[in-house]
Parts: sequence; C-alpha cells; structure tokens
Amino acid sequence: EAQVTQNPRYLITVTGKKLTVTCSQNMNHEYMSWYRQDPGLGLRQIYYSMNVEVTDKGDVPEGYKVSRKEKRNFPLILESPSPNQTSLYFCASSHPLGGGSYNEQFFGPGTRLTVL
Amino acid sequence: GESVGLHLPTLSVQEGDNSIINCAYSNSASDYFIWYKQESGKGPQFIIDIRSNMDKRQGQRVTVLLNKTVKHLSLQIAATQPGDSAVYFCAEISPRSNYKLTFGKGTLLTVNP
Repeated sequence: EAQVTQNPRYLITVTGKKLTVTCSQNMNHEYMSWYRQDPGLGLRQIYYSMNVEVTDKGDVPEGYKVSRKEKRNFPLILESPSPNQTSLYFCASSHPLGGGSYNEQFFGPGTRLTVL
Repeated sequence: GESVGLHLPTLSVQEGDNSIINCAYSNSASDYFIWYKQESGKGPQFIIDIRSNMDKRQGQRVTVLLNKTVKHLSLQIAATQPGDSAVYFCAEISPRSNYKLTFGKGTLLTVNP
C-alpha cells in the first residue's frame, strides 16, 4: 500500500530533551516536507526537501533540523524542544512540484507532540 | 483523535443538501489551487485541484470554482453526506515560492443526519 508513515504517533517529552520524529514513504517520491498544525493557524511548512541531500527552510524552521540521506526517509529533529513546539506534525511527500503540472502531496497520519 | 477544529469557521448542513466552502487566497502569482479534506485524527487528503488558467473543475460530487479577479476559491459538495464531515483546507502553490504549498486556515463542515 502506498503510504507515508510517521513515528511516533504520540509523544510527551520535557524541555531540552532531544527527539526525532521519523517519516518514511514508499512511493519513490522526490519531494518531502514537514508541516506543523496549530489551532487557528492552519498548516505551516517547517522544512522541505526537493531530493536526497537537498533541504531548505519553510516558513517556521526555527528550532528544527532535518536530513535527507535517503530518498524514502525525512526525519525531523528537535535538538532542544521547548513548550512552543507542542503541536501536531505532518510529513508529506510527492513527485516534484511545478514544471507545468501539480503532483498531489500525500500526508502521513500525524504526530502529536507535547513538550512539558 | 486530535482536534483541529478549534477557532475555525464552521458550516453546518443537513444531509443531502449542497455545501459551499469558501476560501480567499493571497498570492496573485499562485498557479495551482488545491482543496484538502482532513478528518479527525488523520492527515489532510487531496480532494481536487485547479490550475490558474481554469475557472471551474468538476470531480465526483465536488466542483471547484476559481475567481482570480477577487482571489476567491470555492468548493461545492453536492448531496452532502455524514462522511463529508471534516475540516476543509484550500491551499495555493506558486512557482515564485519554490512551489511551496500555502494553506488557508480551514473550515469545519458538520453534516447533520
């Protein structure tokens, strides 16, 4: 089944304790992206990756890191989480955007992160 | 499941009625517009898209209308069903922003049986 998977689905942690949220897709997509979703603010892009070893900042990158060493994986790293990073996180993937056509972005099921 | 419906515009309709969800977008350079549906506890799911050189596109029970003059997008759902209850987001994509998806705030649709 074609899908985007995220782990963990739920995480409660404390301020300053490094964590990683994994994202994996099995559709051979070049483009991957991380979003956070907060009430009243909608989905905002954190980081994206156009392909392996190519990453760039989205709208709200502060406090986050990403890596893209393999095509299928795009982990989100919080080196020193803070309470304002409590949110619902989504990973998404697609074939390359643009080029005269739009390719649907597939979203993972979400990771609910609480930072105490 | 996680609630993303707080502080959102809401639309409540009766089962079988038609629903119209509206969205104002901000970037006149955007060349694609997409509607996503998000059910409680799930990630957004693609519904339909429209390119900026079109003003209407139809899918199964859904129609998207684009008015570039006033930068307005709408999603029409025919014969709304309880399974259509969800949060609906419009999103725009622009080549000038490296094809980043920019989402609207969303509308919570509730279908009453």
